[in-house]
Amino acid sequence: GENVEQHPSTLSVQEGDSAVIKCTYSDSASNYFPWYKQELGKGPQLIIDIRSNVGEKKDQRIAVTLNKTAKHFSLHITETQPEDSAVYFCAASSFYGGSQGNLIFGKGTKLSVKP
Amino acid sequence: DAMVIQNPRYQVTQFGKPVTLSCSQTLNHNVMYWYQQKSSQAPKLLFHYYDKDFNNEADTPDNFQSRRPNTSFCFLDIRSPGLGDAAMYLCATSKDRGPSTFYEQYFGPGTRLTVT
Repeated sequence: GENVEQHPSTLSVQEGDSAVIKCTYSDSASNYFPWYKQELGKGPQLIIDIRSNVGEKKDQRIAVTLNKTAKHFSLHITETQPEDSAVYFCAASSFYGGSQGNLIFGKGTKLSVKP
Repeated sequence: DAMVIQNPRYQVTQFGKPVTLSCSQTLNHNVMYWYQQKSSQAPKLLFHYYDKDFNNEADTPDNFQSRRPNTSFCFLDIRSPGLGDAAMYLCATSKDRGPSTFYEQYFGPGTRLTVT
C-alpha cells in the first residue's frame, strides 16, 4: 500500500522567512496530494491540494510543487507569520482502485514562526 | 456554524470499559470517516460509511465498531479499550467518493480519549 514520508518533523523560522516541507510517496498510482494544517485543539483543515496532472499550484503565500517522476511533493510558505504556526500534514490519495478517496497521511511537521 | 461536531472533546474511560464517541455533521455529506491519531503520528483511517454502506480498513482491530443511524450522525464504539487505544479520534466527512475525482474531507475537532 501507499506510504508517505514527511520531513522535517519540526521546523522553526523567523517571521517573514520562507518555510518548506517535503513529502515523498511510494505508490505511483497516487494522483491527488492535499496539505492540511492542524492548529492546537482543532481538526486538520485543507489549505491547498494538487493533482497529478499539474506541476505547481499557488494560493497567495502558499504553493505546492509536485515531481511525479521522483514521487515527491513540497509545501512552500512565503513571508511566514506567527499565525502560520501549526502542524502541517501532507497526504496522498488515488481516484481509482479499491481504496479510492482514502487519504494516507505523512507524520506531520510542527512549524513554529518566531516573531 | 460548526460543520463537523464531535462530542465529547475529552473522554476518559477505564481499561476494558466500553466507550462511545459521537460525530454529527450539518453538511448533509454522504461519506463519514473515523480516523485514529496517536501522539505525534499521522491520522490513520479506521473505517468509513458511504451512505449506509460500512467499509472497514483491513488493519482496523475488531475492538472498533461504528454505527451510522442516519445521514447526520456517526458513532465510534470501542468495545474493550486498552491502553494502546488512547489517542485523538477524528471524524471527517466528504460530499461523495470517487471515481475520477477527489472530494475534500472536512474534519471535526476530535475527541481525545484517555484510558486509565
